[in-house]
Amino acid sequence: DGGITQSPKYLFRKEGQNVTLSCEQNLNHDAMYWYRQDPGQGLRLIYYSQIVNDFQKGDIAEGYSVSREKKESFPLTVTSAQKNPTAFYLCASSYTMRQGNQPQHFGDGTRLSIL
Amino acid sequence: DAKTTQPTSMDCAEGRAANLPCNHSTISGNEYVYWYRQIHSQGPQYIIHGLKNNETNEMASLIITEDRKSSTLILPHATLRDTAVYYCIVRVAGIRGSQGNLIFGKGTKLSVKP
Repeated sequence: DGGITQSPKYLFRKEGQNVTLSCEQNLNHDAMYWYRQDPGQGLRLIYYSQIVNDFQKGDIAEGYSVSREKKESFPLTVTSAQKNPTAFYLCASSYTMRQGNQPQHFGDGTRLSIL
Repeated sequence: DAKTTQPTSMDCAEGRAANLPCNHSTISGNEYVYWYRQIHSQGPQYIIHGLKNNETNEMASLIITEDRKSSTLILPHATLRDTAVYYCIVRVAGIRGSQGNLIFGKGTKLSVKP
């Protein structure tokens, strides 16, 4: 089945450690996104990518990095510079960002906690 | 993107229609109305979207007022599995920079009761 796969489902990070969250899609979508969700809050955009080898900062990019070397993959690295990384991380994709009538579809998220 | 206003919570009896309102009084002519829902500890699920006309799919119906300042999501026969937080979002049609991104507010927590 087509969809978005995020792994792992749960992740624990030690102080000073970088961790990478995986996001893979087989929907042939050009655009991909990373959001962060804190308890009881809406989603906040971290990074987005309109096409392979291109990505842009979202509203809360500090302490995060991404790459987009393949169309189907958009991994997110949470660096040690991110001082409050505990959150629910969601990856999404859409056919394109150029048309407002293309919905984003989400994975099931990765829950990151600090040890 | 225009802001939206939704009630914090709603209850609905199982088997009855759930009508979830959303106000978007500052919506622009080129902004779509999107609805998503999120069940606890899962990613948001796309439900439906529309621009001017009412829309229907296998999950729900979307009714947009003629002035486009408000809309209603209708789940025709709510089940216990429809208990979730429902988000109403407006999104610009022409994308420049990050304009294409979805801005999620706090949504409406719908509780479907037996």
